[in-house]
Amino acid sequence: RKEVEQDPGPFNVPEGATVAFNCTYSNSASQSFFWYRQDCRKEPKLLMSVYSSGNEDGRFTAQLNRASQYISLLIRDSKLSDSATYLCVVTGNTGKLIFGQGTTLQVKP
Amino acid sequence: ETGVTQTPRHLVMGMTNKKSLKCEQHLGHNAMYWYKQSAKKPLELMFVYSLEERVENNSVPSRFSPECPNSSHLFLHLHTLQPEDSALYLCASSQIGGVRGEQFFGPGTRLTVL
Repeated sequence: RKEVEQDPGPFNVPEGATVAFNCTYSNSASQSFFWYRQDCRKEPKLLMSVYSSGNEDGRFTAQLNRASQYISLLIRDSKLSDSATYLCVVTGNTGKLIFGQGTTLQVKP
Repeated sequence: ETGVTQTPRHLVMGMTNKKSLKCEQHLGHNAMYWYKQSAKKPLELMFVYSLEERVENNSVPSRFSPECPNSSHLFLHLHTLQPEDSALYLCASSQIGGVRGEQFFGPGTRLTVL
């Protein structure tokens, strides 16, 4: 089983749509959770951390369900500029970051 | 604009060549990382240097040899690579004790092994 599992997509959505990605992780001892964004042919960049209570940053909402070991990212009112690959990241036993394969989002006009 | 630079951006080498990848971070961080990103695969952590000391080596073949002469510079020396080593090699840095989980990545070196 992969340590961090994501549906690779692609998710093709029209502008203005709401889209949600899920991610599952296998290590119940994982302490910290994040979403990174990677544009085509660019490096990954931290999008937001994910907290147990859920957190929101503008149009982006992240949620964590420790019991089910899954993380979600919700994007409201999608923009063309949201097109990218979204990487689910958890910390391993030693604190290192473990990346999922990524989910590709394509927002169409 | 990223504070982590990598050179070269593209590299094509034969299996018998020796080359080095260079990474430099201008952020004052004290930890640096090498990752490998292959098509359709997650980023794989290769090496971690914390305070200039190698703290992690994720079962990477010996044909990859890292070097961290100081906290701002990181090298990856390559020799006798295989075609399956073709990938994007990303360097990253972070501040131990800083924002948790935040690593800053360089633009990567796209390596092709013929």
